[in-house]
Amino acid sequence: DVKVTQSSRYLVKRTGEKVFLECVQDMDHENMFWYRQDPGLGLRLIYFSYDVKMKEKGDIPEGYSVSREKKERFSLILESASTNQTSMYLCASRDRGREQYFGPGTRLTVT
Amino acid sequence: AQSVAQPEDQVNVAEGNPLTVKCTYSVSGNPYLFWYVQYPNRGLQFLLKYITGDNLVKGSYGFEAEFNKSQTSFHLKKPSALVSDSALYFCAVRDSDTGGFKTIFGAGTRLFVKA
Repeated sequence: DVKVTQSSRYLVKRTGEKVFLECVQDMDHENMFWYRQDPGLGLRLIYFSYDVKMKEKGDIPEGYSVSREKKERFSLILESASTNQTSMYLCASRDRGREQYFGPGTRLTVT
Repeated sequence: AQSVAQPEDQVNVAEGNPLTVKCTYSVSGNPYLFWYVQYPNRGLQFLLKYITGDNLVKGSYGFEAEFNKSQTSFHLKKPSALVSDSALYFCAVRDSDTGGFKTIFGAGTRLFVKA
C-alpha cells in the first residue's frame, strides 16, 4: 500500500513564525502536491513538484514556498505565518496519469 | 479552464436506500475523473476513477459512478447506503489532453446516512 506521511497532525504557531510542514511518500512517485482545505472551498493547490528540485506554483502560492531535495520528500514552508493561513494542509503524491494518494493532513492554527 | 461543480452541500439518505452524489465538470479536452472520500480528521481516500473505456466505473466499498459525456457528469452512486458511508465526498477532474499536472477538486458534498 502507498503510504504518505505528514510530520504533524496538529500544529499551533504564532503570527510571524516560520513554519515547516513535511511530507514523505514511500512509492517512488514522481509528482507531489500541497493543498489547503477550507470549508466550502474544497481543496486548493498551493504548489506541486513533478521531479526532484522542480516545483510549480499552484492556484494560491502567495505566502508559501516549497522544497524537494529528495524524491520521497516534499516540504511546505510558511515564511512568516499569518492568521489567514490557519487551515488543514494536505500532501499528496501521484504516479503518472493516476489517482493521488493523500497524507492524513496537518491542521495548522496560527494565533 | 477546468472546473468541477458539486451542486449539493449535503445529501441525506436513510440506511438501505440508494444514494447519489452529483458532479458535473468542464474541461477543454478529455477528462480523467475521480471520486475521493474523507472521513473526519483524515486525508482523502481514493474511491474510483474514469480514465477511458466503460462509462460505468466500479470502485471501493460498493460505490460506482457513471461517466456521461453529453451531460458532462460523473455522479457517484451506491445501491444501498450504510451509516458508515457518512463522510465528505469530493469529485475531481484532470484534463488528459493538455498533459497538465493539476487536478481540480469540487467543494465537496457531505453525505449523511441515517439509521
